[in-house]
Amino acid sequence: AQSVTQLGSHVSVSEGALVLLRCNYSSSVPPYLFWYVQYPNQGLQLLLKYTSAATLVKGINGFEAEFKKSETSFHLTKPSAHMSDAAEYFCAVSENSGNTPLVFGKGTRLSVIA
Amino acid sequence: NAGVTQTPKFQVLKTGQSMTLQCAQDMNHEYMSWYRQDPGMGLRLIHYSVGAGITDQGEVPNGYNVSRSTTEDFPLRLLSAAPSQTSVYFCASSYERGRAQHFGDGTRLSIL
Repeated sequence: AQSVTQLGSHVSVSEGALVLLRCNYSSSVPPYLFWYVQYPNQGLQLLLKYTSAATLVKGINGFEAEFKKSETSFHLTKPSAHMSDAAEYFCAVSENSGNTPLVFGKGTRLSVIA
Repeated sequence: NAGVTQTPKFQVLKTGQSMTLQCAQDMNHEYMSWYRQDPGMGLRLIHYSVGAGITDQGEVPNGYNVSRSTTEDFPLRLLSAAPSQTSVYFCASSYERGRAQHFGDGTRLSIL
């Protein structure tokens, strides 16, 4: 069975500071990994995905994530936070075979302080 | 391109009532799924479908029914609403089960 752990239910950063949202996964087979963002009262929007190509994945809005197999991690980063980045972020995992549904973490709420 | 459309956006029910949450997609995706989102719980899979006529249970299926008669539509039925089913419900679709999914805007359901 697969699982995702997002460390920190709430992260607060200053505008212009580094954003680091942590995600660790558990999977017995090679995974696909995803980061989604949810703005208030909206659905989830795909930020980026890892599908066994490059381990450093670039997404929308300046975000990127690095797949580290040895650490079973897929942390999301952005060099400089903007007020518009305030949202909830979800990490998700599936098997790269496509035979299992996505399993989501509990989410991390990002606040950006002016 | 509408993507995934969910109706209604808001609904208030009384305990014991039944209702159907509608979901339609126009991307010809074979895979569709329903999640519920509760504070601090993330998204939990209720039911999913890998194609017309094929459905399966997810993590939290009790109290919900689904059917998939067409590729486009995947309605979620609450048989007898309970307060524990108060939640935000999201429908999603993708071309394959474990791939990036497109989400609707959600249905916010309150059961009194």
